[in-house]
Amino acid sequence: QKEVEQNSGPLSVPEGAIASLNCTYSDRGSQSFFWYRQYSGKSPELIMFIYSNGDKEDGRFTAQLNKASQYVSLLIRDSQPSDSATYLCAVKKSGGSNYKLTFGKGTLLTVNP
Amino acid sequence: EAQVTQNPRYLITVTGKKLTVTCSQNMNHEYMSWYRQDPGLGLRQIYYSMNVEVTDKGDVPEGYKVSRKEKRNFPLILESPSPNQTSLYFCASSLEASGRWWGDTQYFGPGTRLTVL
Repeated sequence: QKEVEQNSGPLSVPEGAIASLNCTYSDRGSQSFFWYRQYSGKSPELIMFIYSNGDKEDGRFTAQLNKASQYVSLLIRDSQPSDSATYLCAVKKSGGSNYKLTFGKGTLLTVNP
Repeated sequence: EAQVTQNPRYLITVTGKKLTVTCSQNMNHEYMSWYRQDPGLGLRQIYYSMNVEVTDKGDVPEGYKVSRKEKRNFPLILESPSPNQTSLYFCASSLEASGRWWGDTQYFGPGTRLTVL
C-alpha cells in the first residue's frame, strides 16, 4: 500500500461547482495533514492544514479529516478556472526524527468556464 | 518578505561537472529539506536538516550531498551529476524541527529545473 494515495485525475468540474479531492494514508499514527496547490512548473503552495478529526473551513476551501478511516479530503466550493492546478496531499509521519512530509502524487483539477 | 530562495532557477550542465544549488530562507526556520519532483513519481525527499550541522538522508540521497553551516542556508551539491538527476528540485523549510504541530508547515522555494546532458 502506498503511503499517501490520491486519484491522479484529471478531475474536471464546471465553473461554480464543488470540487472534491480525496487522499488516503497508510500510517495510522500520522498527526498532521496538509493540502498544497501546485501550478504547472511552480512550487507547491500551502492551502490548508488540519490536525483534528472533522472539518476545517477557510474561505471556499474545506478540509475534512477522518483518522479512523485514514482519509483526508479537500472541498473547493464555487470552483473558479484559477483553481485549475494539481493538488497535493501531504502527511507528516509520526515517530522518528525526520519530520518530513510524505506527499501523494497529486490530483489534477481542471475547472471549465 | 518571508521567503525561501533558490539559485539558479534553471541549469543545464553536462555529466560529471560538479554543481551546487543554493537555498536560503529568511524566516529563522530550524528545519530545511530538499525534494526532487519527477513526472509520475511525485515529490521525494533527498536530504533534510533539523538544525545547524544536523543533516540526514531522505528517501533518495544517492548522488547528492548537503551541508548546513548556517541556519539560513542549505545548499545541495551534486559532485558528479548524471542524466538521471535531471529533475525539478525544491527546497523547503519549516519553523520547528521538534514536531510540535504549530511549527511543521513547510514553505517551498521557487524550484530549480536541472538538466544533465
